[in-house]
Amino acid sequence: DAGVIQSPRHEVTEMGQEVTLRCKPISGHNSLFWYRQTMMRGLELLIYFNNNVPIDDSGMPEDRFSAKMPNASFSTLKIQPSEPRDSAVYFCASSSGTGPMETQYFGPGTRLLVL
Amino acid sequence: DAKTTQPNSMESNEEEPVHLPCNHSTISGTDYIHWYRQLPSQGPEYVIHGLTSNVNNRMASLAIAEDRKSSTLILHRATLRDAAVYYCILRDVEDNQGGKLIFGQGTELSVKP
Repeated sequence: DAGVIQSPRHEVTEMGQEVTLRCKPISGHNSLFWYRQTMMRGLELLIYFNNNVPIDDSGMPEDRFSAKMPNASFSTLKIQPSEPRDSAVYFCASSSGTGPMETQYFGPGTRLLVL
Repeated sequence: DAKTTQPNSMESNEEEPVHLPCNHSTISGTDYIHWYRQLPSQGPEYVIHGLTSNVNNRMASLAIAEDRKSSTLILHRATLRDAAVYYCILRDVEDNQGGKLIFGQGTELSVKP
């Protein structure tokens, strides 16, 4: 199994530009999570999907952030326009369910730097 | 949400056992105790989880206090590859939050050769 795949692995952009992060969950998993990690705030959940439907987006910082899951094998996290404070590592994770015993499998992350 | 408290950092020598503590004094009867770790420049990975009884797997052991207010992750023989940040996380079986993980600061484990 290839695990959770994220692209790009690194992204450097200028303030005001649109950024799109991509995630392919593990085949057969029906839950997908987007997390962000910064030195100041640690790891925090942005949004998660169950069966391609967004369930909880309370962690999304503001309207500049949006996430979609058009099908079971693909999700995007978009930032438009990007700002320097969005610089962070963004992780995608998937699991085969949402119960408290389900293991989440994380991708390698996308390291975003907004200049 | 019940919270966990972990030491910020710990040191270990290679090939010696490591005991990573976690306090969760406000744990509820339906909270599962999960441990994840994050190796440098990687995403978090699952280590182990338990409810009441001690648990063993190929990576580690989890010792849970009888009152469940604390737990200890045990690495039986630390290797250099075990250097990581270890997170203790509570997940409630009755929580309708969909299984999201709430990460604290974790314990940064360093392993000396």
